[in-house]
Amino acid sequence: GEEVAQTPKHLVRGEGQKAKLYCAPIKGHSYVFWYQQVLKNEFKFLISFQNENVFDETGMPKERFSAKCLPNSPCSLEIQATKLEDSAVYFCASSSLGSRDVEKLFFGSGTQLSVL
Amino acid sequence: SQELEQSPQSLIVQEGKNLTINCTSSKTLYGLYWYKQKYGEGLIFLMMLQKGGEEKSHEKITAKLDEKKQQSSLHITASQPSHAGIYLCGADPTGNQFYFGTGTSLTVIP
Repeated sequence: GEEVAQTPKHLVRGEGQKAKLYCAPIKGHSYVFWYQQVLKNEFKFLISFQNENVFDETGMPKERFSAKCLPNSPCSLEIQATKLEDSAVYFCASSSLGSRDVEKLFFGSGTQLSVL
Repeated sequence: SQELEQSPQSLIVQEGKNLTINCTSSKTLYGLYWYKQKYGEGLIFLMMLQKGGEEKSHEKITAKLDEKKQQSSLHITASQPSHAGIYLCGADPTGNQFYFGTGTSLTVIP
């Protein structure tokens, strides 16, 4: 597709429940990035993929968070046993050659996760 | 890690006024991106600056990059309510991790 598609747009979970977010990058883009927007001005890098391989996971919380990008499937970000502090908007972005060498990252419209 | 400090944090201007947002990096800038986020929506790419002294314009928005000062500025001329939103600068110093600035929230009063 010509845009980064994130689903669902909104997700509500009770504390302790699992949350799974999906991201379909733009067709032909090799790199996928996940960001967590906790405050409106602050984005935290979580993880990036080059095709199905983890490229950089230095931002991923060690516990409860996992992500995958499998061939012919949307990428996913999963949070096991969600906590209140996980409430945020999660953005996915894709690029064709890695964020240094392209004009722009293409961002999805985000998934708003609310943990109650 | 790269730190990008934006100023001001928030800005309220009357429609028609000019304004400037600054982004200062803690490390050498090899390129800088500007994005806009409308409330409740995704990020919109505005422009990318790659070389020191480079200046780009998009409609009424102009951005400059000062590599020596490790700083970029975004200038909006004759602001309109449609300019309202959060402006974020971004940088990718290592090629494998993208950092955003602290953001500037802009409100334009009609």
